[in-house]
Amino acid sequence: GENVEQHPSTLSVQEGDSAVIKCTYSDSASNYFPWYKQELGKRPQLIIDIRSNVGEKKDQRIAVTLNKTAKHFSLHITETQPEDSAVYFCAASYSGGYQKVTFGTGTKLQVIP
Amino acid sequence: KAGVTQTPRYLIKTRGQQVTLSCSPISGHRSVSWYQQTPGQGLQFLFEYFSETQRNKGNFPGRFSGRQFSNSRSEMNVSTLELGDSALYLCASSLGGQASTDTQYFGPGTRLTVL
Repeated sequence: GENVEQHPSTLSVQEGDSAVIKCTYSDSASNYFPWYKQELGKRPQLIIDIRSNVGEKKDQRIAVTLNKTAKHFSLHITETQPEDSAVYFCAASYSGGYQKVTFGTGTKLQVIP
Repeated sequence: KAGVTQTPRYLIKTRGQQVTLSCSPISGHRSVSWYQQTPGQGLQFLFEYFSETQRNKGNFPGRFSGRQFSNSRSEMNVSTLELGDSALYLCASSLGGQASTDTQYFGPGTRLTVL
């Protein structure tokens, strides 16, 4: 089955700096890669996603890159703000007639004011 | 559109008991997936239902089961509860269909504590 590794597990950055979270996946058939943000006590919420036919996607301060050959994808947050502090999960999903999403173990991001 | 809802939000049970959790997906969504979230294991996939059929299952023992109704609402049941079943149980809904890489939207979760 699919295996998703996520690094680092914790990340502290100064407000205004950039943060990068990296994930690798094992199943070359995976073709959809969402990123979720989970604030303390709240539900995971989708912040950005990318499909395997795209190498990069950007939404304001957030960007995701995908390298299919190396089977890794990354989340980039620029100009970090205290409200970016949360746990971020990457995930890999395969379109095979059923929905199965494998999540990474999460990165706790702390933005220091 | 109303979001994904889960009931109850909190539950306390004792070992050996059984529990049933409920999930109502976003209107029009036909796929419901269940996840167990624990501090040590992260988000673990339990199973996915689409049109009242279980399409996929994760690596959990048979004590964990689920079902889906014709209105897409889903329930999951855990029998013979163990201490290790204490977790946040999240459901997520998506449109479903053949292209099963639709965006999933999560509910607020049910916090289960087993004493």
